[in-house]
Amino acid sequence: AQSVTQPDIHITVSEGASLELRCNYSYGATPYLFWYVQSPGQGLQLLLKYFSGDTLVQGIKGFEAEFKRSQSSFNLRKPSVHWSDAAEYFCACLSSNTGKLIFGQGTTLQVKP
Amino acid sequence: NAGVTQTPKFQVLKTGQSMTLQCAQDMNHEYMSWYRQDPGMGLRLIHYSVGAGITDQGEVPNGYNVSRSTTEDFPLRLLSAAPSQTSVYFCASRKRQEGQPQHFGDGTRLSIL
Repeated sequence: AQSVTQPDIHITVSEGASLELRCNYSYGATPYLFWYVQSPGQGLQLLLKYFSGDTLVQGIKGFEAEFKRSQSSFNLRKPSVHWSDAAEYFCACLSSNTGKLIFGQGTTLQVKP
Repeated sequence: NAGVTQTPKFQVLKTGQSMTLQCAQDMNHEYMSWYRQDPGMGLRLIHYSVGAGITDQGEVPNGYNVSRSTTEDFPLRLLSAAPSQTSVYFCASRKRQEGQPQHFGDGTRLSIL
């Protein structure tokens, strides 16, 4: 069955430090993968998406993610974190068969000044 | 272009009451979905629709009904509210083409006493 796992429930980094949020997926075919960000009390905003082609995708707000088929991973990265990046981040996988979008459990990012 | 609009933003119900959460989109999206978000569980799909007149169950459909009489609207009905349905509910929509990202509403925070 299709599933998405985000191993880290909570991560704290210092402002200016680099960031990597992990995401692993389980899906039989080539997946469509997404990262969303949710600020407190808000809906979800799309950061970036992977469909095919170049395995390193660029998104908004300076984020990027790398698709690694051999590791079934789609980790999100940012070279230098800003205090405004504190939020909850969700990885998601879209099934091309059913059209269902399956989410990971989410990772809460805290940024220390 | 308002995107995905959810009403109400907040609601408190008593156990056993019924209510309808409204969702409307003005982007002519074929696909619409309802998710619930609970701490540590990410977003779970309740029901979804691939077009007017067509609905299907997601991961956690029990206790909820949906209908899709128009492309724009996708209301979610709680027939007899239970405390376990206390959650934040998100409506989302997307184009039918493969891999299109979901657009989310701002959510409805529902408490069942």
